[in-house]
Amino acid sequence: DAMVIQNPRYQVTQFGKPVTLSCSQTLNHNVMYWYQQKSSQAPKLLFHYYDKDFNNEADTPDNFQSRRPNTSFCFLDIRSPGLGDAAMYLCATSRDRLAGNEQFFGPGTRLTVL
Amino acid sequence: TQLLEQSPQFLSIQEGENLTVYCNSSSVFSSLQWYRQEPGEGPVLLVTVVTGGEVKKLKRLTFQFGDARKDSSLHITAAQPGDTGLYLCAGANFGNEKLTFGTGTRLTIIP
Repeated sequence: DAMVIQNPRYQVTQFGKPVTLSCSQTLNHNVMYWYQQKSSQAPKLLFHYYDKDFNNEADTPDNFQSRRPNTSFCFLDIRSPGLGDAAMYLCATSRDRLAGNEQFFGPGTRLTVL
Repeated sequence: TQLLEQSPQFLSIQEGENLTVYCNSSSVFSSLQWYRQEPGEGPVLLVTVVTGGEVKKLKRLTFQFGDARKDSSLHITAAQPGDTGLYLCAGANFGNEKLTFGTGTRLTIIP
């Protein structure tokens, strides 16, 4: 089945220790997104790629970086995690910019910062 | 900035009851989506509504898009414990790959 895969599902890191979260997709979608979600809140968009074009949200901290080496993979790097970065990180994909723009989410990575 | 307000924010009801969740905005959207997110999982797309006034049914769930394409509702008939989750509406605009998410409704169905 075509899907969005996130690894790991759970990640524990120490304050200030860099961490990388990964996402892969078999949907061959052009767009990939990274969201941060805190308890019972809506997902907050950090950035997205339309093909190779990177689009950063204005309020995304510099501490968060992303890479998309090819269509299938996208990475979220947190350079120096703080306690406030503990959250669920969701990767999503969508086919393109057409009306509808349905997004398909991975299962998420729960990040704990000690 | 487009905003989507959902109400209620939290809802806890007994199994078998009916409920409605609302998603409202002052902005027009090309389409609107509803997602359900279970604890510890990513959101799953339930439906997309595109036409003003459109009604879509998915088993016991009925979705409606407002005539002016600014609001939507989700009605669940005879709620079951499996309906428990965070319900998110999200608005989309043609030519923009980003979604505007609603504030979310946390639904708990008590057996």
